[in-house]
Amino acid sequence: KAGVTQTPRYLIKTRGQQVTLSCSPISGHRSVSWYQQTPGQGLQFLFEYFSETQRNKGNFPGRFSGRQFSNSRSEMNVSTLELGDSALYLCASSLTDINTGELFFGEGSRLTVL
Amino acid sequence: AQSVAQPEDQVNVAEGNPLTVKCTYSVSGNPYLFWYVQYPNRGLQFLLKYITGDNLVKGSYGFEAEFNKSQTSFHLKKPSALVSDSALYFCAVRAPDSGGYQKVTFGTGTKLQVIP
Repeated sequence: KAGVTQTPRYLIKTRGQQVTLSCSPISGHRSVSWYQQTPGQGLQFLFEYFSETQRNKGNFPGRFSGRQFSNSRSEMNVSTLELGDSALYLCASSLTDINTGELFFGEGSRLTVL
Repeated sequence: AQSVAQPEDQVNVAEGNPLTVKCTYSVSGNPYLFWYVQYPNRGLQFLLKYITGDNLVKGSYGFEAEFNKSQTSFHLKKPSALVSDSALYFCAVRAPDSGGYQKVTFGTGTKLQVIP
């Protein structure tokens, strides 16, 4: 069974640009969540989607947005990039909607903002 | 608001010795607790979880964790450390938020260094 796939793995952008990251969950998983990982702030929850609906959102500005498609694939978008947005962005999928299940993570998209 | 604390940034242990990585949590309601491990430049991998039932849970790679409700702790343990256990360990809690949905909060991570 294929794992969680994130693309692209690495990307470099400049301030003010926007970026779109993609996540394909494990087949059959309907819940997808996104996290930002930085050395200073650790692992921070961005948002979670289930069946195309945003179910939860973390404390990030509106420049961070996401969506989920009918096939459960998800994208997140960051507009007007800032230097502080440089981070590893992790996507995770989960089988159950009750969420007592564990998260399965992709290997991440490493974003560098210059 | 829920929170997770991992009080040690780094834990050093000699190979073959027992290891403990500490985690305490604060939630309203019953917590669902998880441990994940992250190897360099990789995503997180699930190790084990506590949902309900037996307070001692066993997971992957010989790890186990004990849920202690009175101390609000969920420490990760292994009887005999291996050099290959060296990695970054995250404790996480899921508990209902005010909207009724379960939100996940991660600790800051503990770097485990197993010394040969």
